[in-house]
Amino acid sequence: DAEITQSPRHKITETGRQVTLACHQTWNHNNMFWYRQDLGHGLRLIHYSYGVQDTNKGEVSDGYSVSRSNTEDLPLTLESAASSQTSVYFCASSESWRDEQFFGPGTRLTVL
Amino acid sequence: ILNVEQSPQSLHVQEGDSTNFTCSFPSSNFYALHWYRWETAKSPEALFVMTLNGDEKKKGRISATLNTKEGYSYLYIKGSQPEDSATYLCAFTSGTYKYIFGTGTRLKVLA
Repeated sequence: DAEITQSPRHKITETGRQVTLACHQTWNHNNMFWYRQDLGHGLRLIHYSYGVQDTNKGEVSDGYSVSRSNTEDLPLTLESAASSQTSVYFCASSESWRDEQFFGPGTRLTVL
Repeated sequence: ILNVEQSPQSLHVQEGDSTNFTCSFPSSNFYALHWYRWETAKSPEALFVMTLNGDEKKKGRISATLNTKEGYSYLYIKGSQPEDSATYLCAFTSGTYKYIFGTGTRLKVLA
């Protein structure tokens, strides 16, 4: 069965370190998204991609970067982790920009 | 700035009660409206996608309606059960390639 996975599921890191969160989908979807979940804000879009080599900034992209070298993967990198980036991160994919999104299980990141 | 608002933010109902909540979105450049159900410690899962004004969708005890002219959608739950406790998210898709989530309505059904 097609699926979308995230790793690691839990991560504790220190301020200033670079961290990469992995997202892998086997739906063969063109579109992939990264969100963070914060209390009172719901899901906020960090970055998204509509295809290989395409990446776009979302509403809370500062301090984050993504790259899309193949259809299956969209890794999210925190260049220099800050305590404000402690959150739960969700990756999602969809067949087209207007279709429902399928979400991964989430990664809980704690920055100390 | 495109804004998607959901109300109420949270509510508690008794088991067996029927309830409904609202998603408000921009009425211009509408393409689709999605509803998601998000249980605690899980990932959001799609419930409905609606694209036409007047659309109504139903899945078991949950149904949704859409009014694109005035920019709102209602989600109804008939005879709420404890397992309906979740956050219900709506997401608006515009013709300008935007996909925007509301902040959700947290529903708690008390046994």
